[in-house]
Amino acid sequence: NAGVTQTPKFQVLKTGQSMTLQCAQDMNHNSMYWYRQDPGMGLRLIYYSASEGTTDKGEVPNGYNVSRLNKREFSLRLESAAPSQTSVYFCASSEGTSVVLGLFFGEGSRLTVL
Amino acid sequence: EDKVVQSPLSLVVHEGDTVTLNCSYEVTNFRSLLWYKQEKKAPTFLFMLTSSGIEKKSGRLSSILDKKELFSILNITATQTGDSAVYLCAVSTGTASKLTFGTGTRLQVTL
Repeated sequence: NAGVTQTPKFQVLKTGQSMTLQCAQDMNHNSMYWYRQDPGMGLRLIYYSASEGTTDKGEVPNGYNVSRLNKREFSLRLESAAPSQTSVYFCASSEGTSVVLGLFFGEGSRLTVL
Repeated sequence: EDKVVQSPLSLVVHEGDTVTLNCSYEVTNFRSLLWYKQEKKAPTFLFMLTSSGIEKKSGRLSSILDKKELFSILNITATQTGDSAVYLCAVSTGTASKLTFGTGTRLQVTL
């Protein structure tokens, strides 16, 4: 049972470079999310997609773009990476369009921007 | 702005101790409160609470919600070294499909 799969698991970028984090879920969930986790800050929502074809900003969207490619896949793009984007990124999915049933998380992607 | 505050930030206990972790919240249109355990990688789901005063239990872990006073506690009895982790509290609000997380409590259980 794969659940939520994120790639890559580790990435080092130079300031100004771009990259895309990929996420796929095989649980037929409608909602998908991107969070970042920083020491002392907890998990903060970047973007989410309540259903295929829709995306919405979360708490910290600046510097990021997302694409809900289909029901399974939700990608996060950094167009011009900055050191402030050094973080651990988690993709998550949820059944239906509500989080009442909880989120299922991927293993995380550790990004370092030099 | 929705706010979730956890305390303490960290604690160290001896194996066999009982611990209580706290989560308070100030949010608009509360729907549910969730507890997660995070070891080295992804958070894993522990409990979801929606009704006040009803205790949820799973083995040595239990949790209860007080919607009047806007807080929840997570109790762990007879702690084991495998309980060492960061415990996250999160609140689901309104019609938006998202959770607001606290910063977590880091628990270390020593022999």
